[in-house]
Amino acid sequence: DAGVIQSPRHEVTEMGQEVTLRCKPISGHDYLFWYRQTMMRGLELLIYFNNNVPIDDSGMPEDRFSAKMPNASFSTLKIQPSEPRDSAVYFCASSLWQGDNYGYTFGSGTRLTVV
Amino acid sequence: EDKVVQSPLSLVVHEGDTVTLNCSYEVTNFRSLLWYKQEKKAPTFLFMLTSSGIEKKSGRLSSILDKKELFSILNITATQTGDSAVYLCAVAQYNNNDMRFGAGTRLTVKP
Repeated sequence: DAGVIQSPRHEVTEMGQEVTLRCKPISGHDYLFWYRQTMMRGLELLIYFNNNVPIDDSGMPEDRFSAKMPNASFSTLKIQPSEPRDSAVYFCASSLWQGDNYGYTFGSGTRLTVV
Repeated sequence: EDKVVQSPLSLVVHEGDTVTLNCSYEVTNFRSLLWYKQEKKAPTFLFMLTSSGIEKKSGRLSSILDKKELFSILNITATQTGDSAVYLCAVAQYNNNDMRFGAGTRLTVKP
């Protein structure tokens, strides 16, 4: 399996522009998570899905952030309009819980810079 | 409020030293505790601990959980420069499928 695949790896955009981050989870995993990592706040959960349905989006910072999962193999995180304080590394992770013998698998992340 | 606290926040050692990283937690509906290693990019899974007192080992790394005192330790023996990374502790809960992460311990191993 290729693991969790995120794209793009790096994104530099101007303030006010729309940014779309993409994630392909591991096939068969039924949970998908979006995280944001910054030096100041560490790793924060933004939203997670179970079987393509958003379960908890309480970590989404503002209405400028939205996430979708139209099918089991694809999710997007959109920021519109973007602001410099959105600059961070955004991770996608997927998991399949079978008893207590699973952890998460993270993607490589997207480093977003908003200038 | 649920929380996961790691200590120390940073640690500098020399190759060959043994280090112990700490993770304490206060969460409801505890399910399991996980350790991750993060280098330049995504965190990679190290251990999952669910039962007290049972040590898990992988090479020079080992970890154990104390569910009574609510903490876990991660030991690394004979450290190497390749062990330099941020080590994240996370706790999973039964009432949701998320994990609560600690702030991490940044380990630097000098030659």
